Amino acid sequence: KAGVTQTPRYLIKTRGQQVTLSCSPISGHRSVSWYQQTPGQGLQFLFEYFSETQRNKGNFPGRFSGRQFSNSRSEMNVSTLELGDSALYLCASSLYRGPYLNTEAFFGQGTRLTVV
Amino acid sequence: AQKVTQAQTEISVVEKEDVTLDCVYETRDTTYYLFWYKQPPSGELVFLIRRNSFDEQNEISGRYSWNFQKSTSSFNFTITASQVVDSAVYFCALNGNNRLAFGKGNQVVVIP
Repeated sequence: KAGVTQTPRYLIKTRGQQVTLSCSPISGHRSVSWYQQTPGQGLQFLFEYFSETQRNKGNFPGRFSGRQFSNSRSEMNVSTLELGDSALYLCASSLYRGPYLNTEAFFGQGTRLTVV
Repeated sequence: AQKVTQAQTEISVVEKEDVTLDCVYETRDTTYYLFWYKQPPSGELVFLIRRNSFDEQNEISGRYSWNFQKSTSSFNFTITASQVVDSAVYFCALNGNNRLAFGKGNQVVVIP
């Protein structure tokens, strides 16, 4: 069974640009979450999608957005990039079975974004 | 708000020694899940173990074992007979409301 696939693996962007990251979840997984990892703040939750709907959102500015497609693939977008957006962005998929029946999340290898 | 605290930052052990990682959590939820993940240098978070809040039975899985104590809000993780391949960052995480709250991680270095 294929794991979570994130593309691209590495990205270098200039301040002010925008970027789109892609995530393909494990087949059959309908819940996709995004996390930002930085040395200073650690792993922080960005948002979670289920059946094309955003169910949860973390404490990030509106420049960070996402969406999920009918095949459960997800994208996240960061507009007007800032130097502080440099981070490892991790996507996770899980098999949602209902409230309080959460299963483990499986992570991709991440996209390393560098903003210069 | 949910919070996970991993007090130790870096732990060095000699190969074959046991290493225990401490995790303390805070949550107002009555039902929640706790996890341990491993992050090797490649960056991918690898799922290790999961425990739900209504099952305090401690278990052993291979060289991994965990001690979940709801009364002290702790979820400690032990690697028995450590190996060099165990060198990585280990994260404790709490799942509530479909989001994971992570601790800062423990850098484990296993010295051959």
